[in-house]
Amino acid sequence: DTEVTQTPKHLVMGMTNKKSLKCEQHMGHRAMYWYKQKAKKPPELMFVYSYEKLSINESVPSRFSPECPNSSLLNLHLHALQPEDSALYLCASSLYRGGQPQHFGDGTRLSIL
Amino acid sequence: GQQLNQSPQSMFIQEGEDVSMNCTSSSIFNTWLWYKQDPGEGPVLLIALYKAGELTSNGRLTAQFGTTRKDSFLNISASIPSDVGIYFCAGQPLAATNTDKLIFGTGTRLQVFP
Repeated sequence: DTEVTQTPKHLVMGMTNKKSLKCEQHMGHRAMYWYKQKAKKPPELMFVYSYEKLSINESVPSRFSPECPNSSLLNLHLHALQPEDSALYLCASSLYRGGQPQHFGDGTRLSIL
Repeated sequence: GQQLNQSPQSMFIQEGEDVSMNCTSSSIFNTWLWYKQDPGEGPVLLIALYKAGELTSNGRLTAQFGTTRKDSFLNISASIPSDVGIYFCAGQPLAATNTDKLIFGTGTRLQVFP
């Protein structure tokens, strides 16, 4: 059982829609991460939050907007996505920034029509 | 982005056989992690390694942190059908500027036949 919870598990949206992905952890971890994973590929880092502040943005397009309301929650706001953005979006957390291991959620499978 | 060399890319084995896979890098790492990912799920941590030469077991799984700090190995003994999945190594480079990032291997897809 994963201790990082992601909702929804699946999401289908049109290119003009606005939606949000949610991630929650109650392990007391102070670093949280968003990854994008395409089929048969390893996860690719998108964003890193440390103590609720954005510390790394891996040159992600602005149509992806992360938010960390508190130490347990991480959101990813989506707007005007493209078909190539269809992927599995994974959230992870670790005790602190740079600390290992990272623990992953089960992801949100996103499909853009 | 940077990826680790992970081999083999895929394995098709019979139930009961032992499995070995490895990851190599051209640079030094201070942490090695091994994850398993099932279809439609996120990566699950199997073993974490923090010291060169460290050998750690988790049930039928054994992993080692290479003494050169540039490689790691995962062995699965007496494979069973539920071992099916994709295994990823991941490492944290020693260089300070990269300590936030995990570098992932390309994955080893394991199929187990009864």
